[in-house]
Amino acid sequence: ETGVTQSPTHLIKTRGQQVTLRCSSQSGHNTVSWYQQALGQGPQFIFQYYREEENGRGNFPPRFSGLQFPNYSSELNVNALELDDSALYLCASSLAGSGDNEQFFGPGTRLTVL
Amino acid sequence: ILNVEQSPQSLHVQEGDSTNFTCSFPSSNFYALHWYRWETAKSPEALFVMTLNGDEKKKGRISATLNTKEGYSYLYIKGSQPEDSATYLCAPQGSARQLTFGSGTQLTVLP
Repeated sequence: ETGVTQSPTHLIKTRGQQVTLRCSSQSGHNTVSWYQQALGQGPQFIFQYYREEENGRGNFPPRFSGLQFPNYSSELNVNALELDDSALYLCASSLAGSGDNEQFFGPGTRLTVL
Repeated sequence: ILNVEQSPQSLHVQEGDSTNFTCSFPSSNFYALHWYRWETAKSPEALFVMTLNGDEKKKGRISATLNTKEGYSYLYIKGSQPEDSATYLCAPQGSARQLTFGSGTQLTVLP
């Protein structure tokens, strides 16, 4: 296993609600990236956090927001949930400046929006 | 946004067969190419990170090659085993350092 953990494992919400997903990085890593994997697709990049600042963002609306804490753990917040937000959310930690930027993934949080 | 294509989408092979998959991506703005193996109910596992044109990497029975000029990478599995059954994802990385994943190749190795 990678040492990256995510919580919760599964979550059910209703449309319009807000959700917070959590990720703990692998020890020594300072960068966290979040991905959304919808059924039948590869993971899509949401955003990346480095030293508590957003450091790149994919094609996701502002209701997707995040935080990174001093211990490099991270949260993904989604406001005003829509049915299409139902997906597996993955976080990946890495060490910036390591050269190959190898990313280590957590097991994901399965979000269902009803 | 990079357009990443993986083929085939799914594949069934017999135990002992060798197989290969393709990942194609835009050759401009290339920084690195990542391959991951993703077994059901587990985290995606990094296989290779490749950066140089002509790179070849090997890990046990699995190997990969990279052609950055024409924008493709091949992943080979020699003598497939049932435990190789997984989805294999490629993800090119551009200058922005973010990964763009393909939809993956789902491999099933039949005993």
